[in-house]
Amino acid sequence: NAGVTQTPKFRILKIGQSMTLQCTQDMNHNYMYWYRQDPGMGLKLIYYSVGAGITDKGEVPNGYNVSRSTTEDFPLRLELAAPSQTSVYFCASSQQDRGSGGYTFGSGTRLTVV
Amino acid sequence: QKEVEQDPGPLSVPEGAIVSLNCTYSNSAFQYFMWYRQYSRKGPELLMYTYSSGNKEDGRFTAQVDKSSKYISLFIRDSQPSDSATYLCAMSAIAAGNKLTFGGGTRVLVKP
Repeated sequence: NAGVTQTPKFRILKIGQSMTLQCTQDMNHNYMYWYRQDPGMGLKLIYYSVGAGITDKGEVPNGYNVSRSTTEDFPLRLELAAPSQTSVYFCASSQQDRGSGGYTFGSGTRLTVV
Repeated sequence: QKEVEQDPGPLSVPEGAIVSLNCTYSNSAFQYFMWYRQYSRKGPELLMYTYSSGNKEDGRFTAQVDKSSKYISLFIRDSQPSDSATYLCAMSAIAAGNKLTFGGGTRVLVKP
């Protein structure tokens, strides 16, 4: 079982560059999420999606964009990268039925903006 | 004030000791409570999931929820060096669309 797969694992960007963080899941989960994790700050929600074609902002959406054209894929786009976007990014998915439990996370993308 | 507070640690214990972790929260609408374990340079993995108040036990792990005090706990019995990780609490409200609010995590070190 692949679960949630994120690529790339590491990336260094220059200020002003753009990139897309890829996320795909094979569990047929409707809900998908993007979080960023900064040291000692826990996980902060960037964007989330409750199904294909539906996305919404989380707590810290500025500087990011998402799309959800299929159930499996939920890419995160960074436009005009800034040093403040240096972080570890996690994609996660969950079933719509809350009683089934929590999230399944990917292994993360470690991004440095210089 | 953060919505979910968690002591960052580190919490260092000898092998075999009981590890006691906790989180406090301010949002009385939270109904679902979870604990995640995160090893260094890995994604979080779900350890325990509890709905509303009460206790839940799974092997060496016990989760407790006290909604009247807005306080949740995780106990790890007979701790092992492999339990060394960061532990994150997370919670959500029924109306939150399954969105989780996370604590900042507590780093735990179990020494052989």
